[in-house]
Amino acid sequence: KAGVTQTPRYLIKTRGQQVTLSCSPISGHRSVSWYQQTPGQGLQFLFEYFSETQRNKGNFPGRFSGRQFSNSRSEMNVSTLELGDSALYLCASSFLTGVVDNEQFFGPGTRLTVL
Amino acid sequence: GENVEQHPSTLSVQEGDSAVIKCTYSDSASNYFPWYKQELGKRPQLIIDIRSNVGEKKDQRIAVTLNKTAKHFSLHITETQPEDSAVYFCAASAGDKLIFGTGTRLQVFP
Repeated sequence: KAGVTQTPRYLIKTRGQQVTLSCSPISGHRSVSWYQQTPGQGLQFLFEYFSETQRNKGNFPGRFSGRQFSNSRSEMNVSTLELGDSALYLCASSFLTGVVDNEQFFGPGTRLTVL
Repeated sequence: GENVEQHPSTLSVQEGDSAVIKCTYSDSASNYFPWYKQELGKRPQLIIDIRSNVGEKKDQRIAVTLNKTAKHFSLHITETQPEDSAVYFCAASAGDKLIFGTGTRLQVFP
């Protein structure tokens, strides 16, 4: 079974631009969660989508948004990029929504650098 | 809000020694505590998890203990090997999401 895939793997943008990241979950998984990983901050939860609906949201500004398509693929968008948005963005898919007994499988991440 | 603190941030051990990583959580409603291992340049992978109705769980050389009263949980790795070198993240459930600790970089020297 193919794992979670993310595109692109690397991205360089400048301040003020916007960016869209894509995540394809494991076949059959309907939940996709997004995390921002930075040194010293660990993994910070952005949001979760399940069956095309946002189910949970973390404490990030409205510049961070997402959506999920009928095939469970998800995209994350960041508008008006800031230097502090430089990070590894990870998505994780799972079969169900919720976290108990519902293992999350991570993708390889998209490394975003904002100059 | 919900918070998970993880210590130490770095840990160096000799091959064959034990390693212990500790986490504390703030949300008394948390009932699920997974641990993830992230090797350099790779994606995080679940290595063990524990639910709040269990005090200890073991899987070969790794074990996790939970103290609900103190809101502490720990990862124990025995007989460490160089391939255990990685960053380890603890997490606690907060509703339907996971709150992660900031990670522990474990280095096992041969």
